[in-house]
Amino acid sequence: GAGVSQSPSNKVTEKGKDVELRCDPISGHTALYWYRQRLGQGLEFLIYFQGNSAPDKSGLPSDRFSAERTGESVSTLTIQRTQQEDSAVYLCASSLGGGLPTDTQYFGPGTRLTVL
Amino acid sequence: AQSVTQPDIHITVSEGASLELRCNYSYGATPYLFWYVQSPGQGLQLLLKYFSGDTLVQGIKGFEAEFKRSQSSFNLRKPSVHWSDAAEYFCAVVPYSGSARQLTFGSGTQLTVLP
Repeated sequence: GAGVSQSPSNKVTEKGKDVELRCDPISGHTALYWYRQRLGQGLEFLIYFQGNSAPDKSGLPSDRFSAERTGESVSTLTIQRTQQEDSAVYLCASSLGGGLPTDTQYFGPGTRLTVL
Repeated sequence: AQSVTQPDIHITVSEGASLELRCNYSYGATPYLFWYVQSPGQGLQLLLKYFSGDTLVQGIKGFEAEFKRSQSSFNLRKPSVHWSDAAEYFCAVVPYSGSARQLTFGSGTQLTVLP
């Protein structure tokens, strides 16, 4: 079956511009996660959606970052007024949901964002 | 403090040699344990996971991992490495009483395979 897909795969933008990154989760997965991976570093949690519940935004680094999810499908991560330190790979994951610790996350290929 | 540690930043092995990647955790109760692999330009792929039961877990691509409670470890192994195994490997945990939202990754081990 289809896995998690993300678009674009690469995005180059100029400092100060806004960008939108898209994630299509696995069909039937009610939970969706966004992570950031800076060069040479591990994954940094950004935001978590579970069904129709209010998202857990505790990992968003600043108010320039926001994310939305339409029902239990597509999600977009928006970064406003991009800065050079926003350059990273942005990974999306989805899982069946329910919040149990055994709920395994499946990752997309990521979007590599470069801010010039 | 709760943590997951991968002591080896970079490991180099020859093709055909055996491999062991280390992962240690520090949690009050045994967490749920995962290994992911990230190939160049790819996302993270789940190799295997341990929730309970048999302490030797089989995964995809010929990998296995052994959970050792006494050592708080969950090391990844492969008897014979292939050139295509060159990638970065991440150990990850979810606290026993936590939720999937709390998936925490180690810093990763970069594997180089020599011909």
